[in-house]
Amino acid sequence: AQKITQTQPGMFVQEKEAVTLDCTYDTSDPSYGLFWYKQPSSGEMIFLIYQGSYDQQNATEGRYSLNFQKARKSANLVISASQLGDSAMYFCAMREGGQGGGADGLTFGKGTHLIIQP
Amino acid sequence: DVKVTQSSRYLVKRTGEKVFLECVQDMDHENMFWYRQDPGLGLRLIYFSYDVKMKEKGDIPEGYSVSREKKERFSLILESASTNQTSMYLCASSFIVKPQHFGDGTRLSIL
Repeated sequence: AQKITQTQPGMFVQEKEAVTLDCTYDTSDPSYGLFWYKQPSSGEMIFLIYQGSYDQQNATEGRYSLNFQKARKSANLVISASQLGDSAMYFCAMREGGQGGGADGLTFGKGTHLIIQP
Repeated sequence: DVKVTQSSRYLVKRTGEKVFLECVQDMDHENMFWYRQDPGLGLRLIYFSYDVKMKEKGDIPEGYSVSREKKERFSLILESASTNQTSMYLCASSFIVKPQHFGDGTRLSIL
């Protein structure tokens, strides 16, 4: 069974609009971490934001925020005031145990291709 | 800034060849990882290492091996390359409680 599900293969959004990228996850471990990465067409993976399962508040980093709904097991990424440079693939990922800290690798979703239109 | 450097951006090899992909990080991270990325499949973990000479299998280790002789260097080895190993390979590193930082990736084609 998939542990990370990103249901939107692609999205088109007008510049300056807010964007929500969906991510649901599946785990029985009460301690885990959720991560979002951006991958532009050049290929590098850029870390955006992290949410620990015990964190009381939703994570924010500049224009990025994570809408964490623990009971629903969802961790949607919200990008405010989108820019042309936000066009990229976006991946949601999870690591189980230790609030996401640890030596194990991440489990990734299949990604959402976001295109910002002028 | 963290720097994770992969030795090649593009690589073309023939089936049956032994292929080495090299990754070096400059931040003294304990953990290092190799993933492959295929369209529609996202990233999948091949191997990871939490210390020198230590290695653990990820989700898809078949056909691959790794080597970590020094803390900063983690090598992925394709013992006998096959066409189904054509893919984008991404190396990452991290401290235990920090997010992973990725290299720019190696696009490997096996002909």
